[in-house]
Amino acid sequence: DGGITQSPKYLFRKEGQNVTLSCEQNLNHDAMYWYRQDPGQGLRLIYYSQIVNDFQKGDIAEGYSVSREKKESFPLTVTSAQKNPTAFYLCASSHPSGIGETQYFGPGTRLLVL
Amino acid sequence: QQQVKQSPQSLIVQKGGISIINCAYENTAFDYFPWYQQFPGKGPALLIAIRPDVSEKKEGRFTISFNKSAKQFSLHIMDSQPGDSATYFCAASMKTSGSRLTFGEGTQLTVNP
Repeated sequence: DGGITQSPKYLFRKEGQNVTLSCEQNLNHDAMYWYRQDPGQGLRLIYYSQIVNDFQKGDIAEGYSVSREKKESFPLTVTSAQKNPTAFYLCASSHPSGIGETQYFGPGTRLLVL
Repeated sequence: QQQVKQSPQSLIVQKGGISIINCAYENTAFDYFPWYQQFPGKGPALLIAIRPDVSEKKEGRFTISFNKSAKQFSLHIMDSQPGDSATYFCAASMKTSGSRLTFGEGTQLTVNP
């Protein structure tokens, strides 16, 4: 089965704690993305990576960090500097399609603060 | 200039009716406009997409209408069904920003039986 997997489905963070969200894809896509989704605000880009060992900040990168050591994996760390981390986090990967770059999304991780 | 504005925020339609969701953008460099459908607790999935060199694209019951001069595009869902109840996002991207998508705020569609 080809696709994007995210784990865990739910994650609880304590004050001052760093937590890491996993994203794995077996679609052989070069580009990967992390989005944050809050009610009524659509999807906001946190970080993206177009090739291995390279990544760029998105619109809301503060308080987050990423790595891209393997093509298949793009983990996101929510650091203690992110003061309002409660949200639904979505990972995506993309490849060129007929008319544009199609992004495929994982099932998401819901992060809650204890 | 990077924003995509989407309306309405929520929409209730009767089964068999037409659902219409509108988006507007400012940046004329945008050259790819996809629509995504998201069910509760799931990731979004690509529904249909268009480039600005065409004014309309139809796939089954879903149609994108594109007005380049007005910098607006819309999604029409014909013969709306309860299974279409979901959140819909428009988005836009441009070649110079790679494959980055800028999303609208989303429209929660409810189709009543």
